[in-house]
Amino acid sequence: GAVVSQHPSWVICKSGTSVKIECRSLDFQATTMFWYRQFPKQSLMLMATSNEGSKATYEQGVEKDKFLINHASLTLSTLTVTSAHPEDSSFYICRARDSRIPNSPLHFGNGTRLTVT
Amino acid sequence: SQQGEEDPQALSIQEGENATMNCSYKTSINNLQWYRQNSGRGLVHLILIRSNEREKHSGRLRVTLDTSKKSSSLLITASRAADTASYFCATDAGGNEKLTFGTGTRLTIIP
Repeated sequence: GAVVSQHPSWVICKSGTSVKIECRSLDFQATTMFWYRQFPKQSLMLMATSNEGSKATYEQGVEKDKFLINHASLTLSTLTVTSAHPEDSSFYICRARDSRIPNSPLHFGNGTRLTVT
Repeated sequence: SQQGEEDPQALSIQEGENATMNCSYKTSINNLQWYRQNSGRGLVHLILIRSNEREKHSGRLRVTLDTSKKSSSLLITASRAADTASYFCATDAGGNEKLTFGTGTRLTIIP
């Protein structure tokens, strides 16, 4: 079945550095991918919708200059947390589905745990 | 916030018992989905129920939907230790594939 690969699975970085998270659809094409953030013991909050070949759509309250999204191909979307700070420490998860199949289910990546020290 | 509420927030039961989790939401929906998340991992889709459906089964899972009360329940029968996880409901209101997640229920099955 459809698989979404997310990398890295965990990362520790120093405050002020930038971190890039990749989300790949391994055996299907995804014109749209969704990025979520989950704080410990909390629910998932949608951050942005990533659209292949165009600008991402950000949810209210999410800084687009802070969380840069690039969806340059049908199988890869990246989320870059720029100038990360400890409050950005969270679990980031992407989600995608096969664009060619109507009503196909969406699949989540396994998530990336970001810790900013 | 459009986020739904789930109750209980945490549930511990003995293996073999049934587990019931409830979800309430605020807006009209196209469908409601239930997901499972093991600690520190991604989400696994369990079941989807459409707004015109009232009940759906999948293996040991039974989901009900009451659109008049804006609520849903997930029943896991004959629980197993491997069912220990967090369970989230998620609603799709606009058909645009954006999901709004509930607060989740942490289920612990005691062997």
